[in-house]
Amino acid sequence: GAGVSQSPRYKVAKRGQDVALRCDPISGHVSLFWYQQALGQGPEFLTYFQNEAQLDKSGLPSDRFFAERPEGSVSTLKIQRTQQEDSAVYLCASSPNRDRGPSGANVLTFGAGSRLTVL
Amino acid sequence: QQQVKQSPQSLIVQKGGISIINCAYENTAFDYFPWYQQFPGKGPALLIAIRPDVSEKKEGRFTISFNKSAKQFSLHIMDSQPGDSATYFCAASKYNFNKFYFGSGTKLNVKP
Repeated sequence: GAGVSQSPRYKVAKRGQDVALRCDPISGHVSLFWYQQALGQGPEFLTYFQNEAQLDKSGLPSDRFFAERPEGSVSTLKIQRTQQEDSAVYLCASSPNRDRGPSGANVLTFGAGSRLTVL
Repeated sequence: QQQVKQSPQSLIVQKGGISIINCAYENTAFDYFPWYQQFPGKGPALLIAIRPDVSEKKEGRFTISFNKSAKQFSLHIMDSQPGDSATYFCAASKYNFNKFYFGSGTKLNVKP
């Protein structure tokens, strides 16, 4: 597709439910990132994939959070036993590069995000 | 501990004026500093970025000023327009690391 697609755009869950958020990156993009954006705050890094390999998961807040990208394209972020503090927008971003491009930058294209509200 | 500190939290500017947003960092290993623009209901979009080997970068009405010794950088929007009304985030990353650290954001409102 032309951009990064995320679904669902909005999700309301009762505390304790499991949720799954999907990200379709730009076709051919090697790198994929998940960020969490709390209301009125900047995005915070959760995890990073290079193709199907999860190279960095240092930002995942707890073992209730799990991400996968089994075939190196679509990725799913799963949150088990959701808590109210998990309420946020979850942003997915992708990049064509493994690392820095020729300009020394890794240009990320973000999706519109999935807004999770836990009641 | 927040790696990148951003100010102000909100900013109101008259059409045609200059908008200035400031960011500061502590980690001298950071070597790439992008600015992102985010409209409501959308993901952040890259606006302009700078490496620390230059002190200024200009693209159209948008300019980044970078002060390596002070570990500060700022975004200047010249001739601000109502269409510039959005939330702006500064960010930083380390060489060969793909993790971006974002500031807390500045909500800009340009009055017509």
